[in-house]
Amino acid sequence: NAGVTQTPKFRVLKTGQSMTLLCAQDMNHEYMYWYRQDPGMGLRLIHYSVGEGTTAKGEVPDGYNVSRLKKQNFLLGLESAAPSQTSVYFCASSSPSRASYEQYFGPGTRLTVT
Amino acid sequence: AQTVTQSQPEMSVQEAETVTLSCTYDTSESDYYLFWYKQPPSRQMILVIRQEAYKQQNATENRFSVNFQKAAKSFSLKISDSQLGDAAMYFCAYRSFPNTGNQFYFGTGTSLTVIP
Repeated sequence: NAGVTQTPKFRVLKTGQSMTLLCAQDMNHEYMYWYRQDPGMGLRLIHYSVGEGTTAKGEVPDGYNVSRLKKQNFLLGLESAAPSQTSVYFCASSSPSRASYEQYFGPGTRLTVT
Repeated sequence: AQTVTQSQPEMSVQEAETVTLSCTYDTSESDYYLFWYKQPPSRQMILVIRQEAYKQQNATENRFSVNFQKAAKSFSLKISDSQLGDAAMYFCAYRSFPNTGNQFYFGTGTSLTVIP
């Protein structure tokens, strides 16, 4: 049982390049999330999904797109990277069930945009 | 909108001593969950403890316990017999129940240093 995994763990991009971050979970969770974490800012929600084929904007969605074609995967795309997107990105998943109500996090992806 | 406030950006504790991290939240809902997450230097977010609002008994997990004051909307984390491995960033989080799946609300974190 791997929990939540993220690919890649590190990436360096040049301004204007694009990339996709992949998140996968094997807990059959309905809900998945993408956060970014910057020093002193805590976690900020970028986009989230409440089920396969559905996505919604969070607090800081500009410059990012997401897709959830399969229940277990949640992709985060940067179409034209900017230095302001330098951050650590976390994927998380959760269930609507009381028994498993907390969020489970991936290990994070450190992205640097130069 | 719900807000979660951690008013202590940094805390320190001597090894083997006890420390309490503070968290307050704002909500008009009656059923919700509160969580404390630990983020060590490895960056991995680890669930430390959770509290259901409908339970009056404070949650405990080994050396970690909470003081949940529902009326005061306060949710503090007590770490007893602090160990070097407890050094980390700690985040308080809130989630209402039921929830359409969207949002957890996180505080901005408290950085805990453990002094040998």
